[in-house]
Parts: sequence; C-alpha cells; structure tokens
Amino acid sequence: DSGVTQTPKHLITATGQRVTLRCSPRSGDLSVYWYQQSLDQGLQFLIQYYNGEERAKGNILERFSAQQFPDLHSELNLSSLELGDSALYFCASSPGAGGADTQYFGPGTRLTVL
Amino acid sequence: GENVEQHPSTLSVQEGDSAVIKCTYSDSASNYFPWYKQELGKGPQLIIDIRSNVGEKKDQRIAVTLNKTAKHFSLHITETQPEDSAVYFCAASIGFGNEKLTFGTGTRLTIIP
Repeated sequence: DSGVTQTPKHLITATGQRVTLRCSPRSGDLSVYWYQQSLDQGLQFLIQYYNGEERAKGNILERFSAQQFPDLHSELNLSSLELGDSALYFCASSPGAGGADTQYFGPGTRLTVL
Repeated sequence: GENVEQHPSTLSVQEGDSAVIKCTYSDSASNYFPWYKQELGKGPQLIIDIRSNVGEKKDQRIAVTLNKTAKHFSLHITETQPEDSAVYFCAASIGFGNEKLTFGTGTRLTIIP
C-alpha cells in the first residue's frame, strides 16, 4: 500500500459526459501527479501540482483540467468524454516539487466511456 | 521531447534464472531513470532508480546499469521468483526533477515455475 488513495475505483459513463476523479496524496506529500494509462498510448504524464500550484504539464487535453486543494487532495476533471478517454488514471505523490523525490502511485481509477 | 524505447515487450524465464530488460532514451539531458513494477490491478511501484552520475546500482536481486554515452539503461533481476511476474516499466526525466517522467512501453515478465 503506497498511502495514495484514489476514488472511485471504477467509473462507467457515456460519451459527452463529465467526471471527476479524486486523489489523496500520502501524508506530508506536497506534490500530486496525474497519469493516464491506455493500451495504445502507454503510461503518459498529464499534469503536476505542487502545494496548490500547477508545476508541470504534459500531454493533457484541453477538455481535462485538474486542481489541488488547500488540504492537498487533488481532482482531475474530464469533460466532453470520448470513447478514446477510456483508460486507467493514476495519481502519484511525492514529498517535494520533484528533484530527488520518488513518486508513489495510487491504485488508479478505471474509466470506461460507452 | 524525450522518447523511451523498451525491449522486450514480453519475457519468460525459468524460476531461478536471470531476466534483463533494456531501455534506450533520446534526450541526452535526461538524468533520472526509475524502474517501476506493476502488478495486475495495482498502480506502478518504484523498485529501483539511478541518476546520471552513477553507472550501476544494486538492491538485493535487482540491479540497474546506465550507459550515458550510448543512452541506454537496463534492469537486471537475478534468481527470479514467481512473485517477480509483473509488468515492468522504465522511465526517464529531463532536468533535475522527476516530474514529466516519460515511460517505456512496458515488459511483461513471466516466471515459469
């Protein structure tokens, strides 16, 4: 158990809908990272927040957005969902902004768009 | 941007034998190279990492080697056990941080009892 929690575990929704994925980092960790894992694209970095501020951005679509709250939990919002958004979404956390930090991954949220 | 290639995509070895997974990266500025193990239904778990100022690192049965000149790094697992069966991912990052990790495509390792 990494100490990172993600809810829900599974999510089934329809095209065009909007969903919110939630992540609670390990106690004391200030950074949260979001990744998408799909069969055709592999594991891809989406975005990083550090202490409430966006710090790094990867291959995140404009339909996707994220935020980190004062209690350091983070939410990933996915809107206007398409079939191709079906994937596993992982959250990871680390103590600092990057540097020598290890990223600890949560168990993931499996999103299915029908 | 950074591109990480990983080989082989699948690997089967007899229990007790060694397994080697290789990765190459494209950006010479990359300086942090972690390896993750992902078991079915779970998130990736860091098993070992190496930084560019080190050529080799060992942790019990697991070792990682880095050749910066050739831009490749490898994971070595010795005395393999059934619980080593999983998907292994290499990754690389540019700069001093490990944000923006670029992952390889994964290797499915099966240990044959």
